[in-house]
Amino acid sequence: EAQVTQNPRYLITVTGKKLTVTCSQNMNHEYMSWYRQDPGLGLRQIYYSMNVEVTDKGDVPEGYKVSRKEKRNFPLILESPSPNQTSLYFCASSDRGGGDTQYFGPGTRLTVL
Amino acid sequence: GDSVTQMEGPVTLSEEAFLTINCTYTATGYPSLFWYVQYPGEGLQLLLKATKADDKGSNKGFEATYRKETTSFHLEKGSVQVSDSAVYFCALSGSQGNLIFGKGTKLSVKP
Repeated sequence: EAQVTQNPRYLITVTGKKLTVTCSQNMNHEYMSWYRQDPGLGLRQIYYSMNVEVTDKGDVPEGYKVSRKEKRNFPLILESPSPNQTSLYFCASSDRGGGDTQYFGPGTRLTVL
Repeated sequence: GDSVTQMEGPVTLSEEAFLTINCTYTATGYPSLFWYVQYPGEGLQLLLKATKADDKGSNKGFEATYRKETTSFHLEKGSVQVSDSAVYFCALSGSQGNLIFGKGTKLSVKP
């Protein structure tokens, strides 16, 4: 089954404790990205990757890091989380981005205390 | 920059009512347009899309037509069901391969 998986689905942590949210897709997609969803703001892109070892900032990259060492995986790293990073995070993938259909993971709800 | 504006919710309808969710966009190029749906507790999934002017996207009884002259992509359904209760997002394809989303419209359908 074609899918995007994320782990963990729920996470409560404290300010400053490094964490990683994993994302994996099994569709051999080149394009992957991370979004955060906040009430009243919709979804905003954090980082994206056009292919292995190619990543770039989206609209709200501050406080986040990513890496793309393998085509299927695109982890999101918060080196020193802060309460304003409390949000619902989605990973997405598509063939090439743009007009291609993007497939979303189930989401990770992060709370930073 | 490119942006999407969609009607604020929540929208509450009775079963079998007609649905319209308005969406307008601002873009410098010729983006593709999308409607995504988010059911409670789930990720987003594509509902329909249109890639050029005058294209009509359709799926599960929902329709939307890409109107370049009015920069709109309104979502319609003739008869909604309780199972259509969800949050609906209008989006366009951005220059970075991303999607630029509207803020979402929550739809509740009562039996």
